[in-house]
Amino acid sequence: RKEVEQDPGPFNVPEGATVAFNCTYSNSASQSFFWYRQDCRKEPKLLMSVYSSGNEDGRFTAQLNRASQYISLLIRDSKLSDSATYLCVVNTRNSGNTPLVFGKGTRLSVIA
Amino acid sequence: NAGVTQTPKFQVLKTGQSMTLQCAQDMNHNSMYWYRQDPGMGLRLIYYSASEGTTDKGEVPNGYNVSRLNKREFSLRLESAAPSQTSVYFCASSEETTGHYNEQFFGPGTRLTVL
Repeated sequence: RKEVEQDPGPFNVPEGATVAFNCTYSNSASQSFFWYRQDCRKEPKLLMSVYSSGNEDGRFTAQLNRASQYISLLIRDSKLSDSATYLCVVNTRNSGNTPLVFGKGTRLSVIA
Repeated sequence: NAGVTQTPKFQVLKTGQSMTLQCAQDMNHNSMYWYRQDPGMGLRLIYYSASEGTTDKGEVPNGYNVSRLNKREFSLRLESAAPSQTSVYFCASSEETTGHYNEQFFGPGTRLTVL
């Protein structure tokens, strides 16, 4: 099982739709979790950290389920500007010599 | 603040040539990283430096060397470039606190083609 797995998509959704991405991680010792956003031909940027209790930032909600080892990102009322690739990122401090592990990303296209 | 800067933005090399990718950050971060990103492979860590004077191998270190010149600068060197090293290279920095990894800030990337 890969350390961090995401559905690559693409997810093609109309404006205003609600879309959810899931991510699974293999190491139960993982401690910190993040969602990053990467626009085409740009660098990744932090979208939000994921806390155990779940957290919300405007239209974006992140959830963590430690028992099942998955993280989710929910985007409500999708905008054209949400079109990007969303990267799930997990920290497992004892995972060999890699401090952070990035998923391959889920591509979202929001269509007018 | 410029954040994380990288030079050059684009580079074409011939097989066997060498080059150094430069990275600098002005956020006074202790930790710096070099990643490569290939289609379908996601971001993979090449080397990182947890603090000035230390460097560690990441997932894909073969064919690369790094230097943490000072707290601000972290360079990546390709001694003898190979076509397999064609990729987009990102430098990042972060401020780690005990037991937690904080947000990583990325540079704009270097697009490298090795012919």
